[in-house]
Amino acid sequence: KAGVTQTPRYLIKTRGQQVTLSCSPISGHRSVSWYQQTPGQGLQFLFEYFSETQRNKGNFPGRFSGRQFSNSRSEMNVSTLELGDSALYLCASSPLGNEQFFGPGTRLTVL
Amino acid sequence: AQKVTQAQTEISVVEKEDVTLDCVYETRDTTYYLFWYKQPPSGELVFLIRRNSFDEQNEISGRYSWNFQKSTSSFNFTITASQVVDSAVYFCALSEGYGGSQGNLIFGKGTKLSVKP
Repeated sequence: KAGVTQTPRYLIKTRGQQVTLSCSPISGHRSVSWYQQTPGQGLQFLFEYFSETQRNKGNFPGRFSGRQFSNSRSEMNVSTLELGDSALYLCASSPLGNEQFFGPGTRLTVL
Repeated sequence: AQKVTQAQTEISVVEKEDVTLDCVYETRDTTYYLFWYKQPPSGELVFLIRRNSFDEQNEISGRYSWNFQKSTSSFNFTITASQVVDSAVYFCALSEGYGGSQGNLIFGKGTKLSVKP
């Protein structure tokens, strides 16, 4: 079974731009979660989607948004990028109620 | 509020030594789940174990073992006879399992383990 895939793997943007990251879950997994990892704040939960519905949301500003499609693929969007948004963004998928399996992440650098 | 504390920021051991990584958690819920993940230098988080709050049995998997004690809110992880390949950052995480979901993980800050040959 293929693992969680995330695209792109690396991204460089400038302040004020917006960015969209994509995540394809493991086949059969309908729950997708997103996390931000930075050296200062560590791993922080962004949001979780199940069956195209947001189930949980972390404590992030409205500039961070996401969605899930009918095939369980998910995207997250960050608008009006700030320097502090530079991070590794990790996506995880799971069958609902079970452990999550993580993708390799997208490394976003904001200049 | 939920919180996970990994007091050890970095640990360095010599190969074949045993090492224990500490994890202390806080939650008001009676139903919750605890996890350990490993993050090697490649960056991808690797799932190691999940325990639910009703199962305090310790678990052993090869060189890995986990000690779950609700009385002290701890979920410690021991690697026996460590190897260089065990070098990674290890994260302890908590989920309160709302509605059956475990998709909202609260992570500790991680413990960086370096195993030297």
